[in-house]
Amino acid sequence: DTEVTQTPKHLVMGMTNKKSLKCEQHMGHRAMYWYKQKAKKPPELMFVYSYEKLSINESVPSRFSPECPNSSLLNLHLHALQPEDSALYLCASSQEPGRGTGELFFGEGSRLTVL
Amino acid sequence: DAKTTQPNSMESNEEEPVHLPCNHSTISGTDYIHWYRQLPSQGPEYVIHGLTSNVNNRMASLAIAEDRKSSTLILHRATLRDAAVYYCILRVVSGYALNFGKGTSLLVTP
Repeated sequence: DTEVTQTPKHLVMGMTNKKSLKCEQHMGHRAMYWYKQKAKKPPELMFVYSYEKLSINESVPSRFSPECPNSSLLNLHLHALQPEDSALYLCASSQEPGRGTGELFFGEGSRLTVL
Repeated sequence: DAKTTQPNSMESNEEEPVHLPCNHSTISGTDYIHWYRQLPSQGPEYVIHGLTSNVNNRMASLAIAEDRKSSTLILHRATLRDAAVYYCILRVVSGYALNFGKGTSLLVTP
């Protein structure tokens, strides 16, 4: 199983809503990532978890709150978002640095629209 | 982070070879050269990576200049399915972060 599964595929939310994006992998990877991608732009790294601990936070606003409850799951909790946060949110996983090819496996993304 | 420079777009005919260039003049000795591609409406997918020597896999070949300041991704026979944005990324061997640049949008015409 080399899949990263993201749910939901599409999400529409108001600026006062609280919602969550979910990501799951069963490849035994201990590193998991959140990226944000605006239309016709490259993906931008948001967060990296290593062994369920937050390793990198690229100065992401606190209205985005990541959580890694176990080695297979990664969540992104959303609260009080702005319309400019509308984007494709991509999850990825990989082995730890120095193991294997370092390849990141990406999900198909969750397309978020904030009204 | 060391930066990469790629052409914004390239065009190729189907079944022809494609050479996608990448400049990375500030590369350091611990940087691996990674290539990913992103097909329309999909997440990025790994293509190939290398450090110093040329590399081949089932998807592509990677040719790395002797001074490592540039590299070329080679698709031996382009198909319509290869139309995608191709990203050349430098990644520290001990690091997690994979930071995407602007990439090259490859158009393949029949």
